[in-house]
Amino acid sequence: GQNIDQPTEMTATEGAIVQINCTYQTSGFNGLFWYQQHAGEAPTFLSYNVLDGLEEKGRFSSFLSRSKGYSYLLLKELQMKDSASYLCAVRESTGGFKTIFGAGTRLFVKA
Amino acid sequence: DVKVTQSSRYLVKRTGEKVFLECVQDMDHENMFWYRQDPGLGLRLIYFSYDVKMKEKGDIPEGYSVSREKKERFSLILESASTNQTSMYLCASASSLGVVTSDEQYFGPGTRLTVT
Repeated sequence: GQNIDQPTEMTATEGAIVQINCTYQTSGFNGLFWYQQHAGEAPTFLSYNVLDGLEEKGRFSSFLSRSKGYSYLLLKELQMKDSASYLCAVRESTGGFKTIFGAGTRLFVKA
Repeated sequence: DVKVTQSSRYLVKRTGEKVFLECVQDMDHENMFWYRQDPGLGLRLIYFSYDVKMKEKGDIPEGYSVSREKKERFSLILESASTNQTSMYLCASASSLGVVTSDEQYFGPGTRLTVT
């Protein structure tokens, strides 16, 4: 079957670092995405991993281990505006560009 | 600036009505998607299309159909709306440049549909 697991909620302090984990079991693998979704808004693309290792983009980094079916999103120097849901998604290698989303992790950043 | 637009932000319909949700993208993307998003369940794929007149079922196609007559437009149809179809509906589009590129999805603002 196909399944993507990530924590439901996390809380962190402004200025700190937080790591959001994601594990997946899917029908084939053709890339892993992280999206950010603020309340009442559409998801927006944050990062993409297709090979093992770390991808860094400013305050955000994403890591992938395909053999372990595992990824994490690392947010540094947290800001209040980072309070949002973070969606882990896997694009399958079958069926065109079908992408499976996790339920999302709601991150609360407190002062 | 890339753009995906949806015909309505809020919609209220009665049980049994036929409902049309329209989505238009201006990025010349081959792929388009319809999701519904419910609390605790995340985004669930209803249907997707990788070319004009082509469609593939997602994970929850029951009670829905789609139409893609033009590349830029992807419509979701609820043949006979039911209360369990009350949800946020999100449309997205993506290119198909290949594995080395992300081809991430661009989402529309969503339509909050309430079926009474």
